[in-house]
Amino acid sequence: EVQLVESGGGLVQPGGSLKLSCAASGFSISDSAMHWVRQASGKGLEWVGRVRSKVNSYATAYGASVKGRFTISRDDSKNTAYLQMNSLKTEDTAIYYCTREYSTGFYDIWGQGTMVTVSS
Amino acid sequence: SYELTQPPSVSVSPGQTASITCSGDKLGGKYISWFQQKPGQSPVVLIYQDTKRPSGIPERFSGSNSGNAANSGNTAILTISGTQAMDEADYYCQAWDSSTAIFGGGTKLTVL
Repeated sequence: EVQLVESGGGLVQPGGSLKLSCAASGFSISDSAMHWVRQASGKGLEWVGRVRSKVNSYATAYGASVKGRFTISRDDSKNTAYLQMNSLKTEDTAIYYCTREYSTGFYDIWGQGTMVTVSS
Repeated sequence: SYELTQPPSVSVSPGQTASITCSGDKLGGKYISWFQQKPGQSPVVLIYQDTKRPSGIPERFSGSNSGNAANSGNTAILTISGTQAMDEADYYCQAWDSSTAIFGGGTKLTVL
């Protein structure tokens, strides 16, 4: 079965750090860009960022609200993408989804999401 | 920064046609995707590259964009023909702007 499974979410204090993982099964992520998208409770989808494939030099890009605080990486040998979140703020509280960007430029596979709560 | 605008809510009667709009500057020059999200679930792609439907998506879902369809202006439209109760959900449009993914604010579809 083709799927993405996120893990690593939880409760963290403001200013803290957390690292999320996105494990793929049923397919290889090596040829795809992997993205993170978040959704605060009752709100819409917000793009967090992405990491491109090896042939695209593992290039990363980030949304304005997380740039400089979050880092996206990947380990193709483990078929896993990661989201390192530092200097967390209460407004980072959300469900975090990872998703694959298919070759024709759309999100075809989504994980079930992992909840991150930033609170003291 | 680039923005996509959707109506917050749309209502439709069962069996009728629902249209959800997505507006943005020069939107006709961008590819649009549409996602459906039901409560407690992850988004599912319904339409990509303006009009294409992934395998498994019912034919009642269709898309158009002002760059290649009859409607004019900077608007993309998701059309649901013969709307069913199971189509009640949130719908999001998405486009790419300078390699950044932009999502519309979402539209809650109510099937009355």
